[in-house]
Amino acid sequence: AAGVIQSPRHLIKEKRETATLKCYPIPRHDTVYWYQQGPGQDPQFLISFYEKMQSDKGSIPDRFSAQQFSDYHSELNMSSLELGDSALYFCASTGGSGANVLTFGAGSRLTVL
Amino acid sequence: AQSVSQHNHHVILSEAASLELGCNYSYGGTVNLFWYVQYPGQHLQLLLKYFSGDPLVKGIKGFEAEFIKSKFSFNLRKPSVQWSDTAEYFCAGGAGSYQLTFGKGTKLSVIP
Repeated sequence: AAGVIQSPRHLIKEKRETATLKCYPIPRHDTVYWYQQGPGQDPQFLISFYEKMQSDKGSIPDRFSAQQFSDYHSELNMSSLELGDSALYFCASTGGSGANVLTFGAGSRLTVL
Repeated sequence: AQSVSQHNHHVILSEAASLELGCNYSYGGTVNLFWYVQYPGQHLQLLLKYFSGDPLVKGIKGFEAEFIKSKFSFNLRKPSVQWSDTAEYFCAGGAGSYQLTFGKGTKLSVIP
C-alpha cells in the first residue's frame, strides 16, 4: 500500500540558509500534519492543513511557513536556519476511511551546520 | 491544557519478560489515545489506538493497552517481549483534529 512520502530524506544546510521539505500524503488523504522531533525528544506538532487550508498551528517558528497544494502535497519552508532547527521532520496524513489515524512518513532529517 | 506523560524514560528487560509502560493523560474532553513505536532510525508506526468502546485494545505484534478512565491512564502491555521489540515507545493523545500531543517516550531495551 502507498505510504506517506517525504523528501528529501536527508538535508544539510548552513546557518541562515533556507530549506524546503516536501510531503506527499497517502492517496485520498486530505489532511497533512507536520511534526518536529529534536534529538532525543518527542515529536512536537508544528502545523496542519485540511483541504489546502491551515487547520491548526502548533509550535511553529515564524521563520517557518507551510502550505498544502491542490494535489494535497505539502511543503514546509524554513528560512534563516538556526542550529536548533536540526531535527527530524515528520509529515503525517489522514483522511478517507482512515480519518481517525495518522500515518507517518519516514521523516526528513535536517542538519544545520 | 492537554498533556501526556510517560513514567519511564528507559526500561531494560530480558527476553520473555513481561512489559508494562505507563502513560497518563490530561484532557478536558473526549480524547483519542495512541501508542506509537519508533524503531532505531525509523519513523513512527502505530501500535494501537483507543477511541471508545472496549477499554482493552489489542494492537499489532502482541501489544495491548487498557484505557482506565478513573486513573487517566492508557498503559501499554506485552506478556513476553522479544529482542526485536527494542525501540522507543510513544504514548499520544488527540481530540478533534488529531493534532497529537506526544509523551516524552520510553526507550525499551530487550536483552537476549
